[in-house]
Amino acid sequence: DQQVKQNSPSLSVQEGRISILNCDYTNSMFDYFLWYKKYPAEGPTFLISISSIKDKNEDGRFTVFLNKSAKHLSLHIVPSQPGDSAVYFCAASVHAAGGTSYGKLTFGQGTILTVHP
Amino acid sequence: GAGVSQSPSNKVTEKGKDVELRCDPISGHTALYWYRQSLGQGLEFLIYFQGNSAPDKSGLPSDRFSAERTGGSVSTLTIQRTQQEDSAVYLCASSHRLAGEKLFFGSGTQLSVL
Repeated sequence: DQQVKQNSPSLSVQEGRISILNCDYTNSMFDYFLWYKKYPAEGPTFLISISSIKDKNEDGRFTVFLNKSAKHLSLHIVPSQPGDSAVYFCAASVHAAGGTSYGKLTFGQGTILTVHP
Repeated sequence: GAGVSQSPSNKVTEKGKDVELRCDPISGHTALYWYRQSLGQGLEFLIYFQGNSAPDKSGLPSDRFSAERTGGSVSTLTIQRTQQEDSAVYLCASSHRLAGEKLFFGSGTQLSVL
């Protein structure tokens, strides 16, 4: 049972335009969401996160939106740059009792983003 | 070291052999995780170590898989009697206790079972 789904295997965008990567989840217990970026032959790197008490978090060109009622989150990259070309993974977690955070994450399958010059 | 280090970077083995994969986490990170990524799949949680607590082994796919963490630092993931379906990239990650979900990943070990 895939609890975190990224239904678009790939996305192609022109440099300077907006990239929108989508993620859906089924487990209503998830209360923390993250995006990781992965270049070939490297491990994933943390990009941005959002707690379920918020609906938006912004960091420079990257913004994550959370719609809890729809169990959907998205990552917006504006403006997109060729260096953003990578695999993007959505991930979710359930905080332990007392709100302790830890890295037992459930990942989506990833979306390959290609930004063309 | 500056980042999470994994060795070997590539491992080719024959079906039925045992393999050991090594992970050196970031100094000072108390938490260590093993994930794996099979072809076309997302990252799959395997096991989690936090300080001196008992590890969370809930993601290990079978009893052929085991892991240990010695001295709260280096970890070894062992796969006994490897099968072709064990072929995957095995990723180790560590995190600071105050930022548990912000994982720092190594580059992984590409395991190929022939």
